[in-house]
Amino acid sequence: ETGVTQSPTHLIKTRGQQVTLRCSSQSGHNTVSWYQQALGQGPQFIFQYYREEENGRGNFPPRFSGLQFPNYSSELNVNALELDDSALYLCASSLNMWEQGPLHFGNGTRLTVT
Amino acid sequence: AQKITQTQPGMFVQEKEAVTLDCTYDTSDPSYGLFWYKQPSSGEMIFLIYQGSYDQQNATEGRYSLNFQKARKSANLVISASQLGDSAMYFCAMRDNNNDMRFGAGTRLTVKP
Repeated sequence: ETGVTQSPTHLIKTRGQQVTLRCSSQSGHNTVSWYQQALGQGPQFIFQYYREEENGRGNFPPRFSGLQFPNYSSELNVNALELDDSALYLCASSLNMWEQGPLHFGNGTRLTVT
Repeated sequence: AQKITQTQPGMFVQEKEAVTLDCTYDTSDPSYGLFWYKQPSSGEMIFLIYQGSYDQQNATEGRYSLNFQKARKSANLVISASQLGDSAMYFCAMRDNNNDMRFGAGTRLTVKP
């Protein structure tokens, strides 16, 4: 069973640039969630994708957008990067959006905006 | 709205002793799940234990147990026989009918030799 994988592991960008982070969900999981974790804080929910559609969004501006593909992998796109976007971005998958079981997390992408 | 509160920013415990990490939650949904995750300095989120709102008994997983007090809306994690490798951040989380999972601010546990 393949777990959740994220790429890249680390990334450095300049303020104003755009970034794309990628996530492959665990085998058999059709729901993907994205979280932002700033240093010293808990993960903050960005949004969730189920069968290629956004289903639930946290308190993040529209410059945070995403996609889910037919194979359930997902991308997180952030436009017009700001210094405060520096964080660990975590992707998590679950069997489906209706279950209340645990999320399975990838190892994250650490984004630094300078 | 969901809310998870962890009031202990940091905790210390002696190796081989037990420690309790506190968590309270707030939801109006009758059906929900409560979770604890461990996050070492490497950043990965490791699932430890799950408690369903309708479960009659407290969940246990090896050295981890969840002290679930539904009326008080608390879901404390108990780690027995602490080990040096238990030093990490611990997050309490909840998933209700909104389906997304929300996390508390975390507790940094340090196990002393």
